Amino acid sequence: DQQVKQNSPSLSVQEGRISILNCDYTNSMFDYFLWYKKYPAEGPTFLISISSIKDKNEDGRFTVFLNKSAKHLSLHIVPSQPGDSAVYFCAASARETSGSRLTFGEGTQLTVNP
Amino acid sequence: EAEVAQSPRYKITEKSQAVAFWCDPISGHATLYWYRQILGQGPELLVQFQDESVVDDSQLPKDRFSAERLKGVDSTLKIQPAELGDSAMYLCASSSRVNTEAFFGQGTRLTVV
Repeated sequence: DQQVKQNSPSLSVQEGRISILNCDYTNSMFDYFLWYKKYPAEGPTFLISISSIKDKNEDGRFTVFLNKSAKHLSLHIVPSQPGDSAVYFCAASARETSGSRLTFGEGTQLTVNP
Repeated sequence: EAEVAQSPRYKITEKSQAVAFWCDPISGHATLYWYRQILGQGPELLVQFQDESVVDDSQLPKDRFSAERLKGVDSTLKIQPAELGDSAMYLCASSSRVNTEAFFGQGTRLTVV
């Protein structure tokens, strides 16, 4: 039962362009969403989060959009830089029922070409 | 900058042997998590501690895995006996209170041969 899905295993974009990473979820109890970035042989690094009471959160080059009715969120990176090349994980928690336990998607490998 | 410390970084062990991983969370973080990440998949929660108490171990294979956080600070995850399918990255994370983002350590890459 994959409650958080990232349907694109990989994404390739040119430096300076926008990267859009997508994530879908099925559990309507999820109320907090996060994006993590992971380099090989390292642990995930927290990037940005959004509460279900919002539909957008922005931090520098990173913006997360949440569409609750569609159970969909996306991470926009603009402009993309070669250093952004990594695996990006979407994660969700249902704080009312499961506390801070995170459920992760499978990840999307982003490659930013110079 | 405060970090979650894990050791060892890499571990190779033979199947049926015992193996242990250690984690020291960010100072003051009451919540500690152990996740397992199999290559090509997202991390999956094994066990969650709030201080020294286990609050979620529903996905922990209790016949061979054990975890403890005796003084509510650092934690140990043990596998005995290890099986080939246990090969994965074992990630420790901590958060300052329930409902905030978790910060991860660099992980322990386990290979069972």
